[in-house]
Amino acid sequence: DTGVSQDPRHKITKRGQNVTFRCDPISEHNRLYWYRQTLGQGPEFLTYFQNEAQLEKSRLLSDRFSAERPKGSFSTLEIQRTEQGDSAMYLCASSTGSNYGYTFGSGTRLTVV
Amino acid sequence: QQPVQSPQAVILREGEDAVINCSSSKALYSVHWYRQKHGEAPVFLMILLKGGEQMRHEKISASFNEKKQQSSLYLTASQLSYSGTYFCGTERDGTSYGKLTFGQGTILTVHP
Repeated sequence: DTGVSQDPRHKITKRGQNVTFRCDPISEHNRLYWYRQTLGQGPEFLTYFQNEAQLEKSRLLSDRFSAERPKGSFSTLEIQRTEQGDSAMYLCASSTGSNYGYTFGSGTRLTVV
Repeated sequence: QQPVQSPQAVILREGEDAVINCSSSKALYSVHWYRQKHGEAPVFLMILLKGGEQMRHEKISASFNEKKQQSSLYLTASQLSYSGTYFCGTERDGTSYGKLTFGQGTILTVHP
């Protein structure tokens, strides 16, 4: 068990560019979540996968955000036409079920300039 | 729908005790507690389930009052390593699949 891995750790991009982040969950965890966290705030829910199915997406998420989890393994989060307001830490977490805690990855810090 | 945590910040000397509260206006299935140190990911501490027992992790314990929809985290004989930001995450009863809504956090600082 190597924990939840996220790549890259840091990303600086120009406004208007597209970015993609990757998350590798713990292999036996069928649930995968993406959260966004800004300074001084708690993590904010973005989307959730059970195996390969995306079961919920936050209403706060615009159409510029999309996520996939092919074959129920790793997941990617893509942000198109980035804006300065997208600057945040993007956290991935996985778990085995509702009665268990999340294991978070170290996050990808996005800075849009 | 975000749970409300109190206090926003606590400063302690090593060995002192603290209580952090988390309140929700919605019926909950579970309450999670996480600790996050600066620049790191949140780390799971414990989960309180509806109808479940009070939980304990070393000198940290927590309870869940279903009538009030409130959870409390008790840090006893605090250590320097307890410093960080504590978040509660709540899962609403009868809803979605372990999705958590996090509070705004409580910053705990323990001094020697």
